Amino acid sequence: KNQVEQSPQSLIILEGKNCTLQCNYTVSPFSNLRWYKQDTGRGPVSLTIMTFSENTKSNGRYTATLDADTKQSSLHITASQLSDSASYICVVSAAASGGSYIPTFGRGTSLIVHP
Amino acid sequence: EAQVTQNPRYLITVTGKKLTVTCSQNMNHEYMSWYRQDPGLGLRQIYYSMNVEVTDKGDVPEGYKVSRKEKRNFPLILESPSPNQTSLYFCASSSHLSSGGDHRTQYFGPGTRLTVL
Repeated sequence: KNQVEQSPQSLIILEGKNCTLQCNYTVSPFSNLRWYKQDTGRGPVSLTIMTFSENTKSNGRYTATLDADTKQSSLHITASQLSDSASYICVVSAAASGGSYIPTFGRGTSLIVHP
Repeated sequence: EAQVTQNPRYLITVTGKKLTVTCSQNMNHEYMSWYRQDPGLGLRQIYYSMNVEVTDKGDVPEGYKVSRKEKRNFPLILESPSPNQTSLYFCASSSHLSSGGDHRTQYFGPGTRLTVL
């Protein structure tokens, strides 16, 4: 069964500090891995997407890495801001027929940034 | 503006009263899907559609129906809602075409908070 595990479940940091969120997966056949940011009560918003051949992708202060051999990904947030407080969701998709994909969602890491 | 819209945003209903949550996207995306999000469980896929008239079950399809008669619309139907369907629902869409750009990103709607009494 395809699974995505995220750690830590929650994290509290001070404004300006860096942090790293982890995502381990067992999804096959691998298609792509995405990180989303979800503010409370709102829909997830895409941060990065990586395929098998990509091992790093940046979006401003967010940098995602992918190790397809160990099936691990991380999301690094640099110089955190209060607005970074949100849930961060790792989504790993398996390739399906017709060019489609079937996503498996992690339960998310809840990040709180304190002033 | 590229967006996914859902209606209603909030709904309180009673057990057994049929309801429909609409979803519409203006990006000409082939792929659309419905998710529910519950505390501690994360997002779970209910149904998805790869294109018009093509739908398939996700992880938790029981108690739900969908239809895809038009490319832009993907309504979620609860024929006989029950309290265990109280949840936050999200519709999402994406493109499969290798047309360049971020074509594999899923765009999510704002969510529909449903309460079944």
